[in-house]
Amino acid sequence: AQSVAQPEDQVNVAEGNPLTVKCTYSVSGNPYLFWYVQYPNRGLQFLLKYITGDNLVKGSYGFEAEFNKSQTSFHLKKPSALVSDSALYFCAVRGRSSNTGKLIFGQGTTLQVKP
Amino acid sequence: EPEVTQTPSHQVTQMGQEVILRCVPISNHLYFYWYRQILGQKVEFLVSFYNNEISEKSEIFDDQFSVERPDGSNFTLKIRSTKLEDSAMYFCASSGQSGPQETQYFGPGTRLLVL
Repeated sequence: AQSVAQPEDQVNVAEGNPLTVKCTYSVSGNPYLFWYVQYPNRGLQFLLKYITGDNLVKGSYGFEAEFNKSQTSFHLKKPSALVSDSALYFCAVRGRSSNTGKLIFGQGTTLQVKP
Repeated sequence: EPEVTQTPSHQVTQMGQEVILRCVPISNHLYFYWYRQILGQKVEFLVSFYNNEISEKSEIFDDQFSVERPDGSNFTLKIRSTKLEDSAMYFCASSGQSGPQETQYFGPGTRLLVL
C-alpha cells in the first residue's frame, strides 16, 4: 500500500536560518512526489514536484526538495526561512502505475518561523 | 493565473440533509478530483473523474456520495444524506491532459459542518 510519513508535527526555525521539513514515502516502483503548502483558511498551493531526472527539484518561493531513492525520502528545504513561510506543509505521493492521479498525503507539518 | 474556485466557502446543514458542493476547475483541465480534510487530520482522496465518469473512488466514497459534471465548467459533489462525520473541509482539484504526473491544482475548499 502507498503511504507517506511526515515524522514531525511541527518544525520551529528562526528567520534567516535554513529549514528542512521531512517526508518519507512507501510506494512500489518509482513515485511522483509533490509538496503543497496550506496557509490558514486557504486551499493547498503547489510548491514543487519530482517526476524524473535531477534529484534536486526547485520550486516556488525559494523552496527546493531532494529526492533520495535509497532512503525513500523527499525532504523540503529552504536556505533562509522567512516569517511568511509559516504554514502547514504537506508531502504527497502518486505511484507511476496509477492512471487515476490519486494523491496520497502525509499528515502535514506545521512550520513556525520566528522573527 | 487560472485557478480552481469552489462555492460555497462554508456550509452548515442538518444531519440527513442533502448538500451539493460546487467547483469550477481550470478551464482546459480534463481530470477532476475531490478530497476532504477532517479537522486536524490528513487530506484524503475521495474520487477522481475523467471523461465523464469516475475513474477511481476511495472506500469513503460510498453510495451517499456522487459527482457530476453537469455542464462544461462545473464539477459537483453531492452528499445525499449527510452524517455528523461528513463534517470536513472538501477540496476540489483539477489537472491537465498528460496523465498522473500532471500537477493537481486545488481550490480554496468548502468547509462543511453537519449538525
